[in-house]
Amino acid sequence: DAGVIQSPRHEVTEMGQEVTLRCKPISGHNSLFWYRQTMMRGLELLIYFNNNVPIDDSGMPEDRFSAKMPNASFSTLKIQPSEPRDSAVYFCASILGQGTDTQYFGPGTRLTVL
Amino acid sequence: AQKITQTQPGMFVQEKEAVTLDCTYDTSDPSYGLFWYKQPSSGEMIFLIYQGSYDQQNATEGRYSLNFQKARKSANLVISASQLGDSAMYFCAMRVSFGNEKLTFGTGTRLTIIP
Repeated sequence: DAGVIQSPRHEVTEMGQEVTLRCKPISGHNSLFWYRQTMMRGLELLIYFNNNVPIDDSGMPEDRFSAKMPNASFSTLKIQPSEPRDSAVYFCASILGQGTDTQYFGPGTRLTVL
Repeated sequence: AQKITQTQPGMFVQEKEAVTLDCTYDTSDPSYGLFWYKQPSSGEMIFLIYQGSYDQQNATEGRYSLNFQKARKSANLVISASQLGDSAMYFCAMRVSFGNEKLTFGTGTRLTIIP
């Protein structure tokens, strides 16, 4: 079975540009998570969805960040406008359902904002 | 609020030796889950092992075992017979409160296996 799929794997953009990161969770999984990893802050949750509904977005840094999950097989994380401090690896993860054990991570998107 | 602490920023271990990676946690929630993930230099996050707070026995998965000491709030990862491929970052993480599935991660330990 395919794992969590993220695109693009690498993104280099200039400050002020819009960036859209994409994620396809494992088929049949009901919850999807967006994490950000930086040297300074480590791994931190940005937002998570259950059955396509945002459950916890307390980690979304500011209004420049937005996330959507229009259906069970697709989610986007958008940054507009991007800033150099947004440079990080962004991971998407999914789990089968609430209370199950394991979050499966995608390969990540390495974002560099110049 | 929940917190995960990993006090070992880096460790060097001889190949074939066992290694213990420390993890302590803090939560007032009686129901929680503890996870270990491996992140090799290629960057992906690989799930290793899970321990639930009500599990009576320590979790094991192949060469990985979790030394769960509930009273001390510790959940150390033990890797037996270490291999060169075990060199990676290792993250301890916790999930509390059924209904909120988010993970809180520690800062990680970089493990280097020496041939």
